Amino acid sequence: GAVVSQHPSRVICKSGTSVKIECRSLDFQATTMFWYRQFPKKSLMLMATSNEGSKATYEQGVEKDKFLINHASLTLSTLTVTSAHPEDSSFYICSARRGSPSSYEQYFGPGTRLTVT
Amino acid sequence: AQSVTQLGSHVSVSEGALVLLRCNYSSSVPPYLFWYVQYPNQGLQLLLKYTTGATLVKGINGFEAEFKKSETSFHLTKPSAHMSDAAEYFCAVSSPYGGATNKLIFGTGTLLAVQP
Repeated sequence: GAVVSQHPSRVICKSGTSVKIECRSLDFQATTMFWYRQFPKKSLMLMATSNEGSKATYEQGVEKDKFLINHASLTLSTLTVTSAHPEDSSFYICSARRGSPSSYEQYFGPGTRLTVT
Repeated sequence: AQSVTQLGSHVSVSEGALVLLRCNYSSSVPPYLFWYVQYPNQGLQLLLKYTTGATLVKGINGFEAEFKKSETSFHLTKPSAHMSDAAEYFCAVSSPYGGATNKLIFGTGTLLAVQP
């Protein structure tokens, strides 16, 4: 199988604090991980592409200083929302791709619901 | 650049009726195409995918989709809807090539409601 987990599944934080979300590939090595944001009743918006051991590539309009991504190992990527504000409340989903350079399929985590009060 | 258009943000069918969810794509190269299903407050589950070969692909839960190059379409169908099929469905396209350009581009989604 190809299982991806996310932790936490739900988090509520106060405005101004930082929140870290973990994304793990449980049974395979993921050289590339992706972070998406999904607004209510909307599609997934790719925020950034994260390659193990290198800096993440952010999509246009995504603040890299606000959404810190670290892909420290082949099975773990983290997204830190710094100085969170209510407008950062959203559903964040990660996905992981296997190590083959030609690999195309992404395996998705269950998502993390962030609520900033 | 690639893009995906899903016609109909909401589709309602009766239990036992045909399900048809529409997806059209735009791509300068032969694309890879995917359908995902999302249940409330959950991540995405792959229903089926087309890469190469047979244009009619079968997926899980009785769904299938046909790649029609001439129509640039990849519509999702199921002969008989079940109550458990009620969910959000996303069509997605990616490049067949690896590397940094290999991203998934999602459509806006179609919410399927199944009436008893």
